[in-house]
Amino acid sequence: EAQVTQNPRYLITVTGKKLTVTCSQNMNHEYMSWYRQDPGLGLRQIYYSMNVEVTDKGDVPEGYKVSRKEKRNFPLILESPSPNQTSLYFCASSLRRGGDEQFFGPGTRLTVL
Amino acid sequence: DQQVKQNSPSLSVQEGRISILNCDYTNSMFDYFLWYKKYPAEGPTFLISISSIKDKNEDGRFTVFLNKSAKHLSLHIVPSQPGDSAVYFCAAASGGSYIPTFGRGTSLIVHP
Repeated sequence: EAQVTQNPRYLITVTGKKLTVTCSQNMNHEYMSWYRQDPGLGLRQIYYSMNVEVTDKGDVPEGYKVSRKEKRNFPLILESPSPNQTSLYFCASSLRRGGDEQFFGPGTRLTVL
Repeated sequence: DQQVKQNSPSLSVQEGRISILNCDYTNSMFDYFLWYKKYPAEGPTFLISISSIKDKNEDGRFTVFLNKSAKHLSLHIVPSQPGDSAVYFCAAASGGSYIPTFGRGTSLIVHP
């Protein structure tokens, strides 16, 4: 089954404690993205990747890092989480860029205390 | 500054009637438009799209209309069903961009 998986689904942590949210897709897609969803703000893109070892900032990259060492995996790293990073995070992948359909993961709800 | 606007945060419709969700955009470079549907505790799923060379695209009960001169698109759901109750996101992109821009979403409730 074609899918995007994220782990963990729920995470409560404390300020400053480094964490990683994993994302994996099995569709051999080149493009992958991370979004955060906040009430009243919709989906905002954090980082995206065009292929292995090629990443770039989205609209709200501050406080986040990503890596793309393998085509299928695109982890999101919070080196020093802060309460304003409490949000719902989605990973997505697509075959092509721009207007192509994106496949989203189920989401990770992160709370930073 | 929002480039993609969904001005109605919520919409309530009776089962069997038409649901019309609206989306406005400001960037004239956008040439692909997509609608995503999101249920609680799930990721968004692609619903329907349209490119700027068309003014209408239909898929079953779902039709998207694009008015380029007004920079406006709408999603029509006919007939609406209770299972359509979800948040609907409008997204826009230019063919060469890596970053689609999403609206803030409209929560649709279809009453039985």
